[in-house]
Amino acid sequence: QQQVKQSPQSLIVQKGGIPIINCAYENTAFDYFPWYQQFPGKGPALLIAIRPDVSEKKEGRFTISFNKSAKQFSLHIMDSQPGDSATYFCAASGGDDKIIFGKGTRLHILP
Amino acid sequence: KAGVTQTPRYLIKTRGQQVTLSCSPISGHRSVSWYQQTPGQGLQFLFEYFSETQRNKGNFPGRFSGRQFSNSRSEMNVSTLELGDSALYLCASRTGGDNSPLHFGNGTRLTVT
Repeated sequence: QQQVKQSPQSLIVQKGGIPIINCAYENTAFDYFPWYQQFPGKGPALLIAIRPDVSEKKEGRFTISFNKSAKQFSLHIMDSQPGDSATYFCAASGGDDKIIFGKGTRLHILP
Repeated sequence: KAGVTQTPRYLIKTRGQQVTLSCSPISGHRSVSWYQQTPGQGLQFLFEYFSETQRNKGNFPGRFSGRQFSNSRSEMNVSTLELGDSALYLCASRTGGDNSPLHFGNGTRLTVT
């Protein structure tokens, strides 16, 4: 019940395309859903986060869509660029404030 | 403001040995969390310390332990190392408030031979 399932494991998209990464959870106590971006040799960095009282949040080219009834949320990257190539992690926390991460998606944007 | 600092960056140990990793959080952050990152399992939560007390714990064996000092710096210890402990160990700090964002260091790469 503490798991966050993330898919796909890896993704290759042409420059300008819209990669979509999906996550699902089961614990209804989760109330905070951040996404982290990690470049090789670096630690993850917070990209964008959403709470379940909204269905969508945009920050620049990054959008989170949230479906509370389905217990799913996804990250969309508009007009993707080669510099967006990184590993992306979804996460969830709530109740005990412990942050649980998905297993990550390696995204590669072709120039 | 200086970021989260982890030392050392790389470490090579032999099976059966023990190791201590160090983490200096961002100034003013009272919470420090530790994560193990491996290619197959992603980021797995080890434990979180807040004001020198362990606040949360993941599902790792007792060989993994940690502590936090009064200046919020933290150390993680792994005893009786196993080959499977080879991983990137990440430390993250946050202010400690409800759902405050994690700020990660660049990790310590531990290789057990």
